[in-house]
Amino acid sequence: QKEVEQNSGPLSVPEGAIASLNCTYSDRGSQSFFWYRQYSGKSPELIMFIYSNGDKEDGRFTAQLNKASQYVSLLIRDSQPSDSATYLCAVNWGYQKVTFGTGTKLQVIP
Amino acid sequence: GAGVSQSPSNKVTEKGKDVELRCDPISGHTALYWYRQSLGQGLEFLIYFQGNSAPDKSGLPSDRFSAERTGGSVSTLTIQRTQQEDSAVYLCASRGAGTGSSYEQYFGPGTRLTVT
Repeated sequence: QKEVEQNSGPLSVPEGAIASLNCTYSDRGSQSFFWYRQYSGKSPELIMFIYSNGDKEDGRFTAQLNKASQYVSLLIRDSQPSDSATYLCAVNWGYQKVTFGTGTKLQVIP
Repeated sequence: GAGVSQSPSNKVTEKGKDVELRCDPISGHTALYWYRQSLGQGLEFLIYFQGNSAPDKSGLPSDRFSAERTGGSVSTLTIQRTQQEDSAVYLCASRGAGTGSSYEQYFGPGTRLTVT
């Protein structure tokens, strides 16, 4: 059973701060990693993907991957109340299998 | 371009009835996934289709659940003899050909199923 672990939260950060969301995974052979944002009552929306060790930046979002530690994180800079949502980490293993974490709820306090 | 579409958006059915949920993937996407998400829970994988290959049905919770994909495009998830525990949001996602390292999935809006 491939596992993806996330702290369920809620993670509360003040507006303008950096939110740091973390995810660990069990399959050392995993190659592709994704972060999805899910607003309450909505479907998941892909916001970042990363395949190589290191950092990948896209606007206010930075994904960080450390395959040796089996750890992937998402940093949100200048957090806004509109960033309040549940963030799902997903890990691709094998050719087509994807395991999702249960998500971390982020609350950005104005 | 058009995203993944699902219908109906909401379905209320009586226990014991059969239901069909439809998914229209992004044009050109070869892979299609069905997931289930119960209230406040994570995503539960149900079934996966890739091109003309045999589907991966390993996530289907019981033999009351089945799915098909016609012509490599539209998919239908069928739940027979629905039970109250089947109440959930059913999400469909599609993915491109996976060239290189491209394995991102894109989700439809979901179908909220309520079994009374």
